[in-house]
Amino acid sequence: SQQGEEDPQALSIQEGENATMNCSYKTSINNLQWYRQNSGRGLVHLILIRSNEREKHSGRLRVTLDTSKKSSSLLITASRAADTASYFCATDGDSNYQLIWGAGTKLIIKP
Amino acid sequence: EAEVAQSPRYKITEKSQAVAFWCDPISGHATLYWYRQILGQGPELLVQFQDESVVDDSQLPKDRFSAERLKGVDSTLKIQPAELGDSAMYLCASSRVGQGNNEQFFGPGTRLTVL
Repeated sequence: SQQGEEDPQALSIQEGENATMNCSYKTSINNLQWYRQNSGRGLVHLILIRSNEREKHSGRLRVTLDTSKKSSSLLITASRAADTASYFCATDGDSNYQLIWGAGTKLIIKP
Repeated sequence: EAEVAQSPRYKITEKSQAVAFWCDPISGHATLYWYRQILGQGPELLVQFQDESVVDDSQLPKDRFSAERLKGVDSTLKIQPAELGDSAMYLCASSRVGQGNNEQFFGPGTRLTVL
């Protein structure tokens, strides 16, 4: 079953613009992670935010977490063509080091 | 930088045939996952190993799928017989036990097409 739901399902922007995608989840979490998947490839970990954190930065990435609303957002600033990919949020399950995945946001950066 | 290895990268087979996928996790990672991903969807966990033991295979269609990790290192996922609905990307991931952040490292995946 999928806990996370990303919004929007697809996003197309011009290179240089900022891209924001959102993730909502259903149950309490210890942490939330964002992953990137280039077309036809495996997933790559981008950033992890713990439940007691509200914001985290990594390079051009900014992640926020609102546990009261059970939601997170991923902001990519100054987008590049290489950012074209699908982005997934994943939350930890209640045991066994499992992750529960959303359906992803497909991001297209137009040159 | 250590990576998760998977082979083959692509597999085309006819329905009712047997297929097998191989995964070699990052050295030292005790936890290994097999996922199935249908185009446009997130990964769906099929089976999780802790060393050589199965932790969770509740979503594995056991009538046709099997998975093993005999020495607690590399792993094989088998489908016999393959069905048209099995066409998907099969992803292997590994993680280090007790690292506190359960980050998973993925291989490049095997794209299976069943004709």
